[in-house]
Amino acid sequence: GQQLNQSPQSMFIQEGEDVSMNCTSSSIFNTWLWYKQEPGEGPVLLIALYKAGELTSNGRLTAQFGITRKDSFLNISASIPSDVGIYFCAGLPAGTYKYIFGTGTRLKVLA
Amino acid sequence: NAGVTQTPKFQVLKTGQSMTLQCAQDMNHEYMSWYRQDPGMGLRLIHYSVGAGITDQGEVPNGYNVSRSTTEDFPLRLLSAAPSQTSVYFCASSYGLQETQYFGPGTRLLVL
Repeated sequence: GQQLNQSPQSMFIQEGEDVSMNCTSSSIFNTWLWYKQEPGEGPVLLIALYKAGELTSNGRLTAQFGITRKDSFLNISASIPSDVGIYFCAGLPAGTYKYIFGTGTRLKVLA
Repeated sequence: NAGVTQTPKFQVLKTGQSMTLQCAQDMNHEYMSWYRQDPGMGLRLIHYSVGAGITDQGEVPNGYNVSRSTTEDFPLRLLSAAPSQTSVYFCASSYGLQETQYFGPGTRLLVL
């Protein structure tokens, strides 16, 4: 089946640092979504991307839809302790109705 | 709006037992889906529905059945539970395929 490679798997950073994570696929995607999940909760959508090259911000978060349509990036600027959680990318491969999720990036912020 | 609701929150089953995980949404969403989440595996799609009366298989459908008799409800059935089905199950819904998916709080299932 199709796979999404998400990296890094985990990150330990100091408060105030910037964070970058990315997802790559073996096929072309029509939609990229970025979610955050906190312990005991369902994923919550952060940013949705629908066009190649699209760059979208949500507060301190910025995500981009890669121009090849096979990758996406999420950046968090000036991290704070409440950014702690697991960040997932999800993509919708062209021609399908099935979303595929990455394996997640676990972020820990040290105050 | 209550959003996406799931019941039960926790469940322990013995191997071979059957049960139904309930999912409901009050947002008039057409697209609904079930995922399972296992450590280090992310979320994997089990089944999905693009509207009442229409369902299809996802990535890991074996051992699970679904039906969509109404727009609001999308139950997931385990006919004969196995330890490999121990997981956290999430239901999600959206207006359309490329619209924002809203997730329920999850059902934690342990099969002994």
